[in-house]
Amino acid sequence: AQSVTQLDSQVPVFEEAPVELRCNYSSSVSVYLFWYVQYPNQGLQLLLKYLSGSTLVKGINGFEAEFNKSQTSFHLRKPSVHISDTAEYFCAVSETNNNAGNMLTFGGGTRLMVKP
Amino acid sequence: EAQVTQNPRYLITVTGKKLTVTCSQNMNHEYMSWYRQDPGLGLRQIYYSMNVEVTDKGDVPEGYKVSRKEKRNFPLILESPSPNQTSLYFCASSFRGASGGYTFGSGTRLTVV
Repeated sequence: AQSVTQLDSQVPVFEEAPVELRCNYSSSVSVYLFWYVQYPNQGLQLLLKYLSGSTLVKGINGFEAEFNKSQTSFHLRKPSVHISDTAEYFCAVSETNNNAGNMLTFGGGTRLMVKP
Repeated sequence: EAQVTQNPRYLITVTGKKLTVTCSQNMNHEYMSWYRQDPGLGLRQIYYSMNVEVTDKGDVPEGYKVSRKEKRNFPLILESPSPNQTSLYFCASSFRGASGGYTFGSGTRLTVV
């Protein structure tokens, strides 16, 4: 069975500073990895995904993430955050051989709070 | 506009009173799924469907039912709601499962008293 751990429940950061949101996963097989963002009172929106190939993945709004197979991590980064990046961020994993509707397993979420 | 529509957005009900949360997508997606979101637990899958008349249990199916009679609709049914089902619920759909990325609805906040 797969699992996802987001190491920080909250990350406060000042505007224009860099940020890294950490995500570690556990799985016995190959995985797809995702980051989703949830703005207040909205549903989740896909930020970026890793399916295969290059381990550095670029997404929307200037975010990027790096897949590290040996450390089973998929940390999300942004070099300079804006107030509008304040949101909750979810890391998710799906096993590539999962025929059960491609089930997504989510981490507990990290609340990014960008301060002026 | 491509979207997943859930109704209602907010619902307060009493223990034991049957309710249905509707979900509809206009993207001709085959995969649909229901999640509940609870603080600190992230999202947990309740049920999913890979096509019409094909549904299966997710991680937390107890107390819920679903049906998929049409491709676009995937309602969530609580036959006898209990307070531990108070939560934020999301419906999501995808063309080819997780690898294609899921599109989420705006959520339904359910309170069972």
